[in-house]
Amino acid sequence: AQTVTQSQPEMSVQEAETVTLSCTYDTSENNYYLFWYKQPPSRQMILVIRQEAYKQQNATENRFSVNFQKAAKSFSLKISDSQLGDTAMYFCAFRSGGSNYKLTFGKGTLLTVNP
Amino acid sequence: ETGVTQTPRHLVMGMTNKKSLKCEQHLGHNAMYWYKQSAKKPLELMFVYNFKEQTENNSVPSRFSPECPNSSHLFLHLHTLQPEDSALYLCASSPIQGVNEKLFFGSGTQLSVL
Repeated sequence: AQTVTQSQPEMSVQEAETVTLSCTYDTSENNYYLFWYKQPPSRQMILVIRQEAYKQQNATENRFSVNFQKAAKSFSLKISDSQLGDTAMYFCAFRSGGSNYKLTFGKGTLLTVNP
Repeated sequence: ETGVTQTPRHLVMGMTNKKSLKCEQHLGHNAMYWYKQSAKKPLELMFVYNFKEQTENNSVPSRFSPECPNSSHLFLHLHTLQPEDSALYLCASSPIQGVNEKLFFGSGTQLSVL
């Protein structure tokens, strides 16, 4: 079974600075998908960024980018120019590329952006 | 706003009560999901419906009973719950149940079982 580990329960960053959230996963598959979801205080989970394992190029979405290290099974999220609205829980998630569509989530990292 | 609405936002119930959670999506999606989010634990998938048919029951106790009358609505009927069932219950939808679809989540129902 796949597992997703987020080793940082909480992190904080100053506004306008850069922060990196870590995520590692365990799988024997070669084809899969990785996600970062954000859950602000409103509780609504929002997809931040998605990475296909077969793509070598790291995904980017505006201020959000990932460092995908397939051999190390590492999928970190970098937030540049942090904003107060980035304060939220961030969840890393894994999905198999096969017929098992289930998303496996990590426990999350609470990120606080300080003014 | 992601187009997925959950009601009620908060619910307090006794162990002998019967209540229902409601989820509605206005996105034209055909797959809907129930997740349970407990403190300091990963999100747990509970049920999946694809085109109104239940395609996944992740070993959920029978005191949780889902219902999907159409592709836009999903219910979770609750009865004789336990205190450990207290959690945030999230509904999500996606175009279809597939490999790479993006999930759209509601804001959840915070359930407290006394």
